[in-house]
Amino acid sequence: EAGVAQSPRYKIIEKRQSVAFWCNPISGHATLYWYQQILGQGPKLLIQFQNNGVVDDSQLPKDRFSAERLKGVDSTLKIQPAKLEDSAVYLCASSLDLGATYEQYFGPGTRLTVT
Amino acid sequence: AQTVTQSQPEMSVQEAETVTLSCTYDTSESDYYLFWYKQPPSRQMILVIRQEAYKQQNATENRFSVNFQKAAKSFSLKISDSQLGDAAMYFCAYRIYGGATNKLIFGTGTLLAVQP
Repeated sequence: EAGVAQSPRYKIIEKRQSVAFWCNPISGHATLYWYQQILGQGPKLLIQFQNNGVVDDSQLPKDRFSAERLKGVDSTLKIQPAKLEDSAVYLCASSLDLGATYEQYFGPGTRLTVT
Repeated sequence: AQTVTQSQPEMSVQEAETVTLSCTYDTSESDYYLFWYKQPPSRQMILVIRQEAYKQQNATENRFSVNFQKAAKSFSLKISDSQLGDAAMYFCAYRIYGGATNKLIFGTGTLLAVQP
């Protein structure tokens, strides 16, 4: 079974530029998560989708971050414009469904450096 | 609000020895899950072990076991017969059971080094 795929693996941009990350969850997984992991910290949930609907985006800085999951499969996370404090690893995860018994499977992450 | 605290930023263990990583958490919920995740340099988060709060028996997975103390809100991970491949960042995480979302709340991590 293929795991969660993310691209790119690394991205370096200048502040005020825009960037987009892509995630392809495990086939059949209804729930998709985007986490932000700043160096020295644990991951923090940015947004959670159930199929193509948003379940939780309370921690998403909506003035600059946006995310979508069209057709309930792949997802993109965009930052526009980027700030220095957005430098982090962005992890995508998926689970079969929303219930707490379902394990979350993580992708390899995208490391973003904003200069 | 739920919080997870890992007070050991770094730990070191000799190969084949045993090491214990500490984790405490704060919640007002009675039903929840606790997890230990391993994150190697490849960055991929891997589930090591999980514990349901309603179960009194401590979870075990091969060389990994937990000491779950619900009243003390403590959840430590014991790694027995440590191997070089165990070297990684370890995160303790919490998740509400039956909430509207099942997001994970992570601690700040413990970096484990394994000495040959």
